[in-house]
Amino acid sequence: AQSVTQPDIHITVSEGASLELRCNYSYGATPYLFWYVQSPGQGLQLLLKYFSGDTLVQGIKGFEAEFKRSQSSFNLRKPSVHWSDAAEYFCAHRGSTLGRLYFGRGTQLTVWP
Amino acid sequence: GAVVSQHPSWVICKSGTSVKIECRSLDFQATTMFWYRQFPKQSLMLMATSNEGSKATYEQGVEKDKFLINHASLTLSTLTVTSAHPEDSSFYICSARVSSGGASSYNEQFFGPGTRLTVL
Repeated sequence: AQSVTQPDIHITVSEGASLELRCNYSYGATPYLFWYVQSPGQGLQLLLKYFSGDTLVQGIKGFEAEFKRSQSSFNLRKPSVHWSDAAEYFCAHRGSTLGRLYFGRGTQLTVWP
Repeated sequence: GAVVSQHPSWVICKSGTSVKIECRSLDFQATTMFWYRQFPKQSLMLMATSNEGSKATYEQGVEKDKFLINHASLTLSTLTVTSAHPEDSSFYICSARVSSGGASSYNEQFFGPGTRLTVL
């Protein structure tokens, strides 16, 4: 079965600190991996995606993520967090080009000034 | 980039009434649209997959007669919550998939801003 695990429900960091949000997936083949961000009362915005090739992918707003097949992980990172990054972050994967998305439970990020 | 709109953005209705939510792809054609439901502080739960011109495919546990989905054109899908009750109150999000084709295509989904439904 396909699934996505985000082990951290809530993370708090200080503005300017580095950030890493964890994501693990369960899927036999190479998945299509995504990170989305959701601000309160809003829809989802795509931060970045991994399809194939370079395992370190760059996204918008200074985010990056690294696909590690050996660990079945796709962790999201940002070297210096801004207060505006406070939001809910969802990791998702898809098993094929036309398959449905499987979402993790989400990680709520709080940024202290 | 591709834009997906939803209307209304929020709605309050009385118990027993029906509510229709529209999902539109504004600048692209979407053969497939998805409807999600999100409870507070929880992830998105896929309710159904809607393909233009055919019946929607519902996820297990989602009542077809309760949540009517119509995808009559390549740019519009509607979700009707029939005989709404307070337990139907939720945040409903749609997404539309760009069907650009090709094995290497991401066939990315673009999400609407969501509709907050409150049933009194």
